[in-house]
Amino acid sequence: SAVISQKPSRDICQRGTSLTIQCQVDSQVTMMFWYRQQPGQSLTLIATANQGSEATYESGFVIDKFPISRPNLTFSTLTVSNMSPEDSSIYLCSVGLLRGETQYFGPGTRLLVL
Amino acid sequence: AQSVTQLGSHVSVSEGALVLLRCNYSSSVPPYLFWYVQYPNQGLQLLLKYTTGATLVKGINGFEAEFKKSETSFHLTKPSAHMSDAAEYFCAVSDSRGNDYKLSFGAGTTVTVRA
Repeated sequence: SAVISQKPSRDICQRGTSLTIQCQVDSQVTMMFWYRQQPGQSLTLIATANQGSEATYESGFVIDKFPISRPNLTFSTLTVSNMSPEDSSIYLCSVGLLRGETQYFGPGTRLLVL
Repeated sequence: AQSVTQLGSHVSVSEGALVLLRCNYSSSVPPYLFWYVQYPNQGLQLLLKYTTGATLVKGINGFEAEFKKSETSFHLTKPSAHMSDAAEYFCAVSDSRGNDYKLSFGAGTTVTVRA
């Protein structure tokens, strides 16, 4: 497995502002993913962030709202832009290990937008 | 495309009793199957997975699951529940023939354990 950390662990933000979430891995990985978990719900994939290429967004998620950076093989950021209360969720990053098929998750960032 | 159905959003068991969480999947290609557990205020932890080979897979904390292709199922069991098993459990599936390994998650099952 891998040790995955996320910063911040939680935050309370005002509507209209933006928050950048960091994901750090203790080893080099090609595949990284960002998920959203809305209150009491399951996980939904936001985008795949592979190093050396642009992030690939899932249906319903757009780059202007959730810009992603992947500057190297151990780090990625997800920005939640122009936040509204509907963005209140847990945001999790994961990495694909072994051949990439097994994902390990970070501890998540708990975001509350007022 | 893949999808997952978890039967039962809440399961309550007595300490020491069998835990059975049901997961059925839909996939047009051979799937990779996973169970994750989420404890309160934590991220997801991998319990076990099926990719190829033996259809009965053992995971951490005494859990195991059996891949049944004919039933398109991957149910999770533990013979004897412990209070520490109280958590949310997610079944997930990905496409074994693709190279993007995107996971599709079920809705989750919350397990409570009665003393």
